[in-house]
Amino acid sequence: QKEVEQDPGPLSVPEGAIVSLNCTYSNSAFQYFMWYRQYSRKGPELLMYTYSSGNKEDGRFTAQVDKSSKYISLFIRDSQPSDSATYLCAMSVISNFGNEKLTFGTGTRLTIIP
Amino acid sequence: DAGVTQSPTHLIKTRGQHVTLRCSPISGHKSVSWYQQVLGQGPQFIFQYYEKEERGRGNFPDRFSARQFPNYSSELNVNALLLGDSALYLCASRYRTEAFFGQGTRLTVV
Repeated sequence: QKEVEQDPGPLSVPEGAIVSLNCTYSNSAFQYFMWYRQYSRKGPELLMYTYSSGNKEDGRFTAQVDKSSKYISLFIRDSQPSDSATYLCAMSVISNFGNEKLTFGTGTRLTIIP
Repeated sequence: DAGVTQSPTHLIKTRGQHVTLRCSPISGHKSVSWYQQVLGQGPQFIFQYYEKEERGRGNFPDRFSARQFPNYSSELNVNALLLGDSALYLCASRYRTEAFFGQGTRLTVV
């Protein structure tokens, strides 16, 4: 079983729709949770970062973490064609020795249809 | 401020050759990590360096090595290249707990 599971999609929604992207994880030691957006043939871009259960909002994006269920989500409101990309969830355990390995999901490919 | 910069952008190598990839972190960031991303998969952790010391290593063979220099830039070296090493190699620069990635080096082994 992978430590982080993410539905690879692809996911296609019409412009203006609310998008929900999800990841589950098995390692209860994960403390930090991130969402990255990756355009084709580019490096991942950090979208959201959180370390506590609950919601964190930034513009049209909301990150949700439920540590008891080991489940994280990213919601995109009023989706735009420019949101079309692959979305990666990532998690980490920060040790006292500074080992800051990120464990990623496989990514969900999202297409927003104009 | 410049982001994380990686060079070269693209590279084609032959099986059995050696390759060196380079990364310059964001100014002030002392931690650099390397990841391998195969097409259709999420990035896989290879190495992490902090203050020129290796702080973490992923499940990769000894053909993979890295080092960090006094100016915090880093090199990833891969020996005896295999076809399966073809991937996007990503460098991440970290400040506290947020990691920022470069554009990557796309390595093709033929």
